[in-house]
Amino acid sequence: SAVISQKPSRDICQRGTSLTIQCQVDSQVTMMFWYRQQPGQSLTLIATANQGSEATYESGFVIDKFPISRPNLTFSTLTVSNMSPEDSSIYLCSVEPRGGVSYNEQFFGPGTRLTVL
Amino acid sequence: GIQVEQSPPDLILQEGANSTLRCNFSDSVNNLQWFHQNPWGQLINLFYIPSGTKQNGRLSATTVATERYSLLYISSSQTTDSGVYFCAVDAGNTPLVFGKGTRLSVIA
Repeated sequence: SAVISQKPSRDICQRGTSLTIQCQVDSQVTMMFWYRQQPGQSLTLIATANQGSEATYESGFVIDKFPISRPNLTFSTLTVSNMSPEDSSIYLCSVEPRGGVSYNEQFFGPGTRLTVL
Repeated sequence: GIQVEQSPPDLILQEGANSTLRCNFSDSVNNLQWFHQNPWGQLINLFYIPSGTKQNGRLSATTVATERYSLLYISSSQTTDSGVYFCAVDAGNTPLVFGKGTRLSVIA
């Protein structure tokens, strides 16, 4: 498994501003992902954070709105830009360590609960 | 892409009761995981179970890959079991796709 931390754990922001969320893993991992969970909904993948190259975004998500960095194999950031109330969600980082019996098992960080006013 | 359906969407249990949650998926999978999301939003890994049966305390899971479904059994439920249970799958070198979840409320 992997121990994942996220900062901040929660925030309340004004519309039009931006927030950067950090994800730190206690070991090097191959795959890192960012998900959004809107209130009362399931998880939706935003993008795969690729180390050393641009992130791979899912349909409906764009780099200008959700820029992602992944400078090394243990750290990634997600920025939510020019926020509106519709961006109020839980944002979760996940990793796929790719080792052992459960080769592609995925683990999630504690999440960042964002409220936009 | 692969579709994931979970049932029931909502479930209310008396403490001590047993329950079965179901996950149907539309294609062959390389990975199937069950998660519990607690009231604070934390996703907790319950099982990694692309096939077969596993048990962990009061919880067990079975995946029948050839028939494209998985079952999560909760026995002697406790109030701390409350939350949302998600099934998630991937079809091979693809990101996890989540079902809509089963919201479980266990009443004392």
